Amino acid sequence: DGGITQSPKYLFRKEGQNVTLSCEQNLNHDAMYWYRQDPGQGLRLIYYSQIVNDFQKGDIAEGYSVSREKKESFPLTVTSAQKNPTAFYLCASMAPGQSYEQYFGPGTRLTVT
Amino acid sequence: GENVEQHPSTLSVQEGDSAVIKCTYSDSASNYFPWYKQELGKRPQLIIDIRSNVGEKKDQRIAVTLNKTAKHFSLHITETQPEDSAVYFCAASRGASYDKVIFGPGTSLSVIP
Repeated sequence: DGGITQSPKYLFRKEGQNVTLSCEQNLNHDAMYWYRQDPGQGLRLIYYSQIVNDFQKGDIAEGYSVSREKKESFPLTVTSAQKNPTAFYLCASMAPGQSYEQYFGPGTRLTVT
Repeated sequence: GENVEQHPSTLSVQEGDSAVIKCTYSDSASNYFPWYKQELGKRPQLIIDIRSNVGEKKDQRIAVTLNKTAKHFSLHITETQPEDSAVYFCAASRGASYDKVIFGPGTSLSVIP
């Protein structure tokens, strides 16, 4: 069940601390995405990247930052500016070509107290 | 901005009955409509998708219909089984490589044995 991995599975932080969530893929996909999942609200796009060294804000980018220094990696930093950071975070990647299927990682559940 | 609505939010059916989930989208430029299934504690996975040049697509017990004029599309599951119990997400995108995908809020389907 490899391909796209996220670590750790569970993460606990104190309010006011920045925290970085890892996302790695070995599928040779150019595009990568970060979503936040809250009960009853589906998957909301935080940031996405179409190519190395380039990324775009999604619908709820405030309080988050990303980098894309390598094709395989797309880490997400949840900053202290994010007012309600406790959530389930999903990373995804997409293959080039005719298929637009997104491949999701297993997710990281972040709890901030 | 772009938006995808999904109904119902919860659905309970008897094993063997059919289930229908309906979605509407706002971006008239959307031309790719995937459906993802997320089982409890697992990552979302693509189960079927449809592009705007067709009105219906079927894969065994699952079918999707699309009405571009009305901007809505539906997922039909026939002969439901307990293993169909999951959260289903519809989504819409413009289908260009690496374009962002807008997800609906999800439908929690329970199939009662």
